[in-house]
Amino acid sequence: QKEVEQDPGPLSVPEGAIVSLNCTYSNSAFQYFMWYRQYSRKGPELLMYTYSSGNKEDGRFTAQVDKSSKYISLFIRDSQPSDSATYLCAMSANDYKLSFGAGTTVTVRA
Amino acid sequence: SAVISQKPSRDICQRGTSLTIQCQVDSQVTMMFWYRQQPGQSLTLIATANQGSEATYESGFVIDKFPISRPNLTFSTLTVSNMSPEDSSIYLCSVVGAGMNTGELFFGEGSRLTVL
Repeated sequence: QKEVEQDPGPLSVPEGAIVSLNCTYSNSAFQYFMWYRQYSRKGPELLMYTYSSGNKEDGRFTAQVDKSSKYISLFIRDSQPSDSATYLCAMSANDYKLSFGAGTTVTVRA
Repeated sequence: SAVISQKPSRDICQRGTSLTIQCQVDSQVTMMFWYRQQPGQSLTLIATANQGSEATYESGFVIDKFPISRPNLTFSTLTVSNMSPEDSSIYLCSVVGAGMNTGELFFGEGSRLTVL
């Protein structure tokens, strides 16, 4: 069993839809939960990070962490074609070493 | 966030040769790491680049294959030695800035390596 599981998709949605992405994990020591966006042939770009459980909102992006269920989510509201990318969840146990999910490829259709 | 520059951005190499990738950051950072992203797969941590001392390697990665240097707080190199086609990957430098926590890890653009 992988330490971090993420549905690879692909996911295709119409412009303006809500995109819902999620990951599950097995390591209860994880304390930091991150979402990265990676455009083709580019490095991962940090979108959001959350410490421990709870919700965090930044513009059209909302990250949720449920440590009791070992489940994290990223929601993108009012999705735009520019949101088309691969989204990677990542987690760490406060040792700066990240464990990544496989990434979900999202396409937002104009 | 720090600006991270990697060189080369891409290269095509012959089997059996070695290639050194450079990572330069525009500000002093506390932690530097090297990750590998194999085709169609996610990122895997290779090692932590320690300033002035030997790197700390993750399970499955060894110094003879991936020697790493970090002579100062803003620069590191990763060498991929005796390359084989299985080493074809994107190699990414990542950093944690001074005063930042685990959740604030930033990546360079990556070095795309193809081994023939």
